[in-house]
Amino acid sequence: EARLLESGGGLLQPGGSLRLSCAASGFTFSSYAMAWVRQAPGRGLEWVSTVGTSADTEYADSVRGRFTISRDNYNNILYVEMNSLGAEDTAIYYCARKLPGHNPFDCWGQGTLVTVSS
Amino acid sequence: EIVMTQSPATLSVSPGERASLSCRASQSISTNLVWYQQKPGQAPRLLIYGASTRATGVPARFSGSGSGTEFTLTISSLQSEDFAVYYCQQNDKWPPLTFGGGTKVELK
Repeated sequence: EARLLESGGGLLQPGGSLRLSCAASGFTFSSYAMAWVRQAPGRGLEWVSTVGTSADTEYADSVRGRFTISRDNYNNILYVEMNSLGAEDTAIYYCARKLPGHNPFDCWGQGTLVTVSS
Repeated sequence: EIVMTQSPATLSVSPGERASLSCRASQSISTNLVWYQQKPGQAPRLLIYGASTRATGVPARFSGSGSGTEFTLTISSLQSEDFAVYYCQQNDKWPPLTFGGGTKVELK
């Protein structure tokens, strides 16, 4: 069974940095594109970033230049390095997998909460 | 950027009734449309992809239709476990991948 488990969330002050991790198991990690999707409290879903099977990356405008997504295919871990965090980045961060192409996010982690507040 | 608009924001339905949720794209996305279900405190769950293909394990009472810019998720006979928020998402042209704002299906 495919599983994704996020970690690394927490409370931090504006301007701070944080690295989230997502440990994958139960599937061939290297065959899937991986993504981060976030959800601010009481709000909808927002795509943040995707890393493809060839380590190609894409970012939402709201995080480009501040967030860096990466993957470790040896240890089956997805990362996102987040810098210059602001209150607008407060959200539950989910990792999710998708096959390349016009395919859906078919497996999601349980999420990790990031709170940016002074 | 393709903007996804869902309506209504809230749908009040009685168990056993039929529910129809709408999703509109700001430009044609062919059938590259996905539906997710999210219950409180849980991650989203894939329901429908390719506008009309049910994901593994999704009950037959869930069906999706549409193409181009207009899409519908229909729940033929609502069960208690179906009360949740439903999101549509386009995966036709990206970045960015975009979601609709969600429709909350609540007990009438």
